Amino acid sequence: DTGVSQDPRHKITKRGQNVTFRCDPISEHNRLYWYRQTLGQGPEFLTYFQNEAQLEKSRLLSDRFSAERPKGSFSTLEIQRTEQGDSAMYLCASSLSFGVFNEKLFFGSGTQLSVL
Amino acid sequence: AQTVTQSQPEMSVQEAETVTLSCTYDTSESDYYLFWYKQPPSRQMILVIRQEAYKQQNATENRFSVNFQKAAKSFSLKISDSQLGDAAMYFCAYRNSGAGSYQLTFGKGTKLSVIP
Repeated sequence: DTGVSQDPRHKITKRGQNVTFRCDPISEHNRLYWYRQTLGQGPEFLTYFQNEAQLEKSRLLSDRFSAERPKGSFSTLEIQRTEQGDSAMYLCASSLSFGVFNEKLFFGSGTQLSVL
Repeated sequence: AQTVTQSQPEMSVQEAETVTLSCTYDTSESDYYLFWYKQPPSRQMILVIRQEAYKQQNATENRFSVNFQKAAKSFSLKISDSQLGDAAMYFCAYRNSGAGSYQLTFGKGTKLSVIP
């Protein structure tokens, strides 16, 4: 168990460029979440996967955002035509659970995105 | 929509002393779950303690305990015998209990400093 791994740890990009982040959950975890955290705020929910199915998407996830989890393993989050407002830390979390309360989320250390 | 409010942006405590972090929330649901997460400088969110709304007994995890006041919609965290390693951002979070409720709603956080 090596924990949730996120890559890259930091990403600097110019406005208008596309970026892609990767999350490797803990092996065999069936649930995977993406959250976004801006400076001085708590994390905000973006999207949720159960295995390879994307079951919930936040209204925060505009058309420029897309997330995938092929084969129910790692996940990618892509932002197209980045804007300065996309600057934030993107957190990934995973869990192995079939309930709600007993679910324990394991978070990664996040990808810090800076859009210039 | 549910909201979570943490009214203390920063708190400090002397090592070995006790500190209480405040959290209030707003919901129209009768059954839900509440959590406290810790985010150290490493950025990795860690679950500290959780509470089921239908349980009157306050949750306790070693030096961490909560004071859950359902009628007042208050969920404070008490840290006893504070240690240097407790220094971190603390986030209060809410989650609906129903099936299909996957997202956590976080407060803005309280930065806790521990003074040696």
